[in-house]
Amino acid sequence: EVQLLESGGGLVQPGGSLRLSCAASGFAFSDHVMHWVRQVPGEGPVWVSRINHDGTDTQYADSARGRFTISRDDAKNTVYLQMNSLRVEDTALYYCVRDSDYRIDYWGQGTLVTVSS
Amino acid sequence: QSALTQPASVSGSPGQSITISCTGTSSDVGGFHYVSWYQQHPGKAPKLMIYGVSDRPSGVSNRFSGSKSGNTASLTISGLQAEDEADYFCSSYTRDSTLVFVFGTGTKVTVL
Repeated sequence: EVQLLESGGGLVQPGGSLRLSCAASGFAFSDHVMHWVRQVPGEGPVWVSRINHDGTDTQYADSARGRFTISRDDAKNTVYLQMNSLRVEDTALYYCVRDSDYRIDYWGQGTLVTVSS
Repeated sequence: QSALTQPASVSGSPGQSITISCTGTSSDVGGFHYVSWYQQHPGKAPKLMIYGVSDRPSGVSNRFSGSKSGNTASLTISGLQAEDEADYFCSSYTRDSTLVFVFGTGTKVTVL
């Protein structure tokens, strides 16, 4: 069974940092592109970042570029999202998702990030 | 890059059919065969219902079907059941250089 378990969310002040983690299991992790997607309750999801199967290629939404860094450790079956210079508008539920040939087929349960003073 | 446009809400009675639209551009929905649909119950993770415009993952009821015409994709739920009440959103791969996936604004389906 495919499982994606996010952690690391919490309450942080504007300008602060958080590191999200996503532990994957139940599939060949190193074979898959992985993404982070965020969602404000009541709104549609928004794509944040992508990392290819071996970590050599990354992409970011404009809102994340320069502040967020995606990485992966295939030995630990884990993908990370380092978030710096956090803003109030970064407040959302952050999902780790699996990519299978240009479709997102599995989502984790999400980890809540709240940026507030 | 704007989100894909969906109606805010759609409703139907048990047994009826409903259709949810998802409108994008030639850079996303109209340009690729990579449109997906997701079902999300309150407090739950989204579940893939349709991929590749019209394909169903194993285990998804054949009451769910997808199609596309030009820049608009559609999800049809036939034989509407109480458990179909949820939020639904679409997604498409995009050739926008600043994005990889673009998502819909979401549609609340209510079973009357």
